[in-house]
Amino acid sequence: QSALTQPASVSGSPGQSITISCTGTSSDVGDYDHVSWYQQHPGKAPKLMIYDVSNRPSGVSHRLSGSKSGNTASLTISGLQPEDEADYYCSSYTSTSTLVFGGGTKLTVL
Amino acid sequence: EVQLVESGGGLVKPGGSLRLSCAASGFTFGTYSMNWVRQAPGKGLEWVSSISSSSSYIYYADSLKGRFTISRDNAKNSLYLQMNSLRADDTAVYYCARAYDFWNGWDYWGQGTLVTVSS
Repeated sequence: QSALTQPASVSGSPGQSITISCTGTSSDVGDYDHVSWYQQHPGKAPKLMIYDVSNRPSGVSHRLSGSKSGNTASLTISGLQPEDEADYYCSSYTSTSTLVFGGGTKLTVL
Repeated sequence: EVQLVESGGGLVKPGGSLRLSCAASGFTFGTYSMNWVRQAPGKGLEWVSSISSSSSYIYYADSLKGRFTISRDNAKNSLYLQMNSLRADDTAVYYCARAYDFWNGWDYWGQGTLVTVSS
């Protein structure tokens, strides 16, 4: 199972909005809503930010939102803040009853 | 407070074995599916294995089948990963994670335990 495709890096200035894409296939992202997004700061464990494509766990900022169209899921962060700088990973259930992560995207807040 | 604490990592020679443990507290362990995820140094996350609450359903990454075995002891609130025939490319931080839903929404993660495979 190949990793989901994410841009290696994205950047934005404080207050701006950015979107991170996560492209899979009809055997994973395209066919299931079991898509999650995780934030990881250096040296720390991943933190769940979005599940079921667009749901936010309690305590996660409303500035984050998730969506999906076809084989591509997206994470949008609005009103960028310095603490948003981190690595972001998407994940999806697959048709072979496995889980696949994206390669990760490094978000830089300029 | 939910806590997951991994242990058992360390330095092992190629071909060796290691058993990782994940001690859970702060929630009813026996009602949640659990997972292992690893991260090689400087690399991304890689799913390793998942196990249902009663151990009825177990899944592995294709690349690991036959070498790794996931298990749990609900009476001891513990998750395990038995790793055999270890190779250099198994070197990684291994995280355990609780599943809100079996295949997504892994809402609590441990701090990770480092496994280094080297001669």
